[in-house]
Amino acid sequence: NAGVTQTPKFRILKIGQSMTLQCTQDMNHNYMYWYRQDPGMGLKLIYYSVGAGITDKGEVPNGYNVSRSTTEDFPLRLELAAPSQTSVYFCASIRGQGRSGNTEAFFGQGTRLTVV
Amino acid sequence: KNEVEQSPQNLTAQEGEFITINCSYSVGISALHWLQQHPGGGIVSLFMLSSGKKKHGRLIATINIQEKHSSLHITASHPRDSAVYICAVLRGGTSYGKLTFGQGTILTVHP
Repeated sequence: NAGVTQTPKFRILKIGQSMTLQCTQDMNHNYMYWYRQDPGMGLKLIYYSVGAGITDKGEVPNGYNVSRSTTEDFPLRLELAAPSQTSVYFCASIRGQGRSGNTEAFFGQGTRLTVV
Repeated sequence: KNEVEQSPQNLTAQEGEFITINCSYSVGISALHWLQQHPGGGIVSLFMLSSGKKKHGRLIATINIQEKHSSLHITASHPRDSAVYICAVLRGGTSYGKLTFGQGTILTVHP
């Protein structure tokens, strides 16, 4: 049981390049999330998904895209990298089943992205 | 106004002190999470609450659904408790599944 696996751990991108951050969980969790954390700041929600085929925007979705074709995977795509996207990115998952069936949240190790 | 408000934002304590961190929210929820993040480190879950009270070792978390308020208590604090503590609410209703974070409380415990 690996929990939430996030790759890569570190990446440097040039302005205008594209990349995909991978997130996989093996706990059959239906809810998955992408957050970014800027230095000294709190976590901001980029996108989330409540199940395969369903995605919704969070607080800061501009410049990102996601897909959820399977329960396990929730990749985050940066199409045209900008310096403002320099941040630490975290993926998370929860099994959500109403008020009585939720589980604790599991987080990936984070991806430190620098755009130069 | 943020949907999830934590207080205090910064907290300094001496080893052995009893610590309380508060979280208030203004939206309908199906669960509330308390998380811990060490400097430069990952994020780990401490508690998931939908009602009442939970205890793990020296940590206690309570929630009052009617008052939309939760507290995290640390008894006999230790320098290794120094970290950022984050409250997050799992939304219900039309925004079900959305996990919204408070701004975090930076705790420093001195020996």
